[in-house]
Amino acid sequence: DAKTTQPPSMDCAEGRAANLPCNHSTISGNEYVYWYRQIHSQGPQYIIHGLKNNETNEMASLIITEDRKSSTLILPHATLRDTAVYYCIVRVNTGNQFYFGTGTSLTVIP
Amino acid sequence: NAGVTQTPKFRILKIGQSMTLQCTQDMNHNYMYWYRQDPGMGLKLIYYSVGAGITDKGEVPNGYNVSRSTTEDFPLRLELAAPSQTSVYFCASTTGGWQPQHFGDGTRLSIL
Repeated sequence: DAKTTQPPSMDCAEGRAANLPCNHSTISGNEYVYWYRQIHSQGPQYIIHGLKNNETNEMASLIITEDRKSSTLILPHATLRDTAVYYCIVRVNTGNQFYFGTGTSLTVIP
Repeated sequence: NAGVTQTPKFRILKIGQSMTLQCTQDMNHNYMYWYRQDPGMGLKLIYYSVGAGITDKGEVPNGYNVSRSTTEDFPLRLELAAPSQTSVYFCASTTGGWQPQHFGDGTRLSIL
């Protein structure tokens, strides 16, 4: 089962880009990388997912390295409302299961 | 669409009591999940279901039971509540394939 490693915490100045790294060195060839965030113990909120190409949506961009062993979530212009715990997840094929780690606690500073 | 709805939002139980946490989704998703989240930790999978009548254990199934009689509902049962089951419980669903999971707002359960 692929696992992920993330830094426990990061700070980012308001208005700057927040770059959140994730290591998933044991990922299999057909496993997607998903990013979620959780604000104040609410239910996790889906952000973005990808396989091997870079992806962008209205919330964020996802950059996946060519060897797929790591990825970076980019919030282009961080706001105070982006303060949350961010989880990088690799899905397990059996039952479409997600395994959450402890995530990265991002604090956006005014 | 209401999405994934969990009830109750909060509950306090005494040790040894039983209860059922309700989860329902109106998106016609085949896959449904129950997670628990302890303070400062990530979510851990308790049970999941790939369709009506089919359930399977996740990482931490001990002390819990589930059933899936309809596509919409996936209740989680605690038979003999223990203090170690104090946690926040999240239900999620997805269509399967590579689609993301959608989460409910959680049930905060305290066992005293």
